[in-house]
Amino acid sequence: EAQVTQNPRYLITVTGKKLTVTCSQNMNHEYMSWYRQDPGLGLRQIYYSMNVEVTDKGDVPEGYKVSRKEKRNFPLILESPSPNQTSLYFCASSAGGIPYEQYFGPGTRLTVT
Amino acid sequence: SQQGEEDPQALSIQEGENATMNCSYKTSINNLQWYRQNSGRGLVHLILIRSNEREKHSGRLRVTLDTSKKSSSLLITASRAADTASYFCATAPWNSGGSNYKLTFGKGTLLTVNP
Repeated sequence: EAQVTQNPRYLITVTGKKLTVTCSQNMNHEYMSWYRQDPGLGLRQIYYSMNVEVTDKGDVPEGYKVSRKEKRNFPLILESPSPNQTSLYFCASSAGGIPYEQYFGPGTRLTVT
Repeated sequence: SQQGEEDPQALSIQEGENATMNCSYKTSINNLQWYRQNSGRGLVHLILIRSNEREKHSGRLRVTLDTSKKSSSLLITASRAADTASYFCATAPWNSGGSNYKLTFGKGTLLTVNP
């Protein structure tokens, strides 16, 4: 089954404790992206990757890191999480280097206390 | 600021009626996409329209694009209770230097279809 998986689905952590949210897709997609969704703000793009080893900032990259060492994986790293990073996070992927039809993961609900 | 802005923010209709949502954007685009999200779940792609297209259909969905007005509309005909969801437009911009790889979402329209 074609899918995007994210782990963990739910995470409660404390300020400053480094964490990684994993994202994996099995569709051989070139384009992968991370978004955060907050009430009243819609989805905002954090980082995206056009292919392996090619990443770029979205609209809200501060406080986040990403890497794309393999085509299928695109982890999101929060080196020192803060309460303002409490949010619902989505990973997505699409074929081609330009963002076309995005396949979304189920989301990761992160709470930073 | 958001590239895409949906209008209205919320829409409540009766089953069987048509629902129309609008999206406005600010810069030139490569394509515009519409997504649906059921409460707190992942988004599902509905339809993509390219900048050189004016109208597309998919089942009960009809999307139009007016690049001169930088706007798009999503029409859902003969709505059902199962159409209750949030609907988002997303734009992949095109800049003078070539294609841009960002995808920018609006804040969404919450559609409620009453049985």
